[in-house]
Amino acid sequence: KAGVTQTPRYLIKTRGQQVTLSCSPISGHRSVSWYQQTPGQGLQFLFEYFSETQRNKGNFPGRFSGRQFSNSRSEMNVSTLELGDSALYLCASSSNIAGDNTDTQYFGPGTRLTVL
Amino acid sequence: KNQVEQSPQSLIILEGKNCTLQCNYTVSPFSNLRWYKQDTGRGPVSLTIMTFSENTKSNGRYTATLDADTKQSSLHITASQLSDSASYICVVSGLNDYKLSFGAGTTVTVRA
Repeated sequence: KAGVTQTPRYLIKTRGQQVTLSCSPISGHRSVSWYQQTPGQGLQFLFEYFSETQRNKGNFPGRFSGRQFSNSRSEMNVSTLELGDSALYLCASSSNIAGDNTDTQYFGPGTRLTVL
Repeated sequence: KNQVEQSPQSLIILEGKNCTLQCNYTVSPFSNLRWYKQDTGRGPVSLTIMTFSENTKSNGRYTATLDADTKQSSLHITASQLSDSASYICVVSGLNDYKLSFGAGTTVTVRA
């Protein structure tokens, strides 16, 4: 099986712009979760989508949004970028049918976003 | 305050030696605890997942233990190899909302 893929791998934007990141989960996985990783804050949960519905959400401002398509592919959007949004954005897929996070999550390689 | 605390923050060990990483959590009620390994520049890879009823789980040279009463977990690396150099992250899932709480990670450096 192909692993989780994320595009693009690297991105440079300037403050005020918006960005869209893409994630393709492992075939058959319907749960896609997004995380932000920074040296100072570590890994932080953004949101989880399951069958095109946002099922869980972390404590991030409304500038961070996402969606999931019928083929389980997911996109994450960040509007009005700030310098502090510079981070590695990771996507993870799993079966997680029950929504209890007991299934193994498989992470993609991440998108490195730099905001200048 | 972070609900998941890991220690030490970093450690250096010689190839072939063993080491133990600690994870203390306050998440309650608790659903499961997992350990991830993250190589530099790559996404985390799951090592073990344990529910509250499990107290040990192994994955090759990695052995995780869990004491749900004291809310402590450890990850033991046996006979370390250079490829074990990575960050090890402890993640705890709550029972009611299933939100994930992440530790800051322990950076392990294995030297020849």
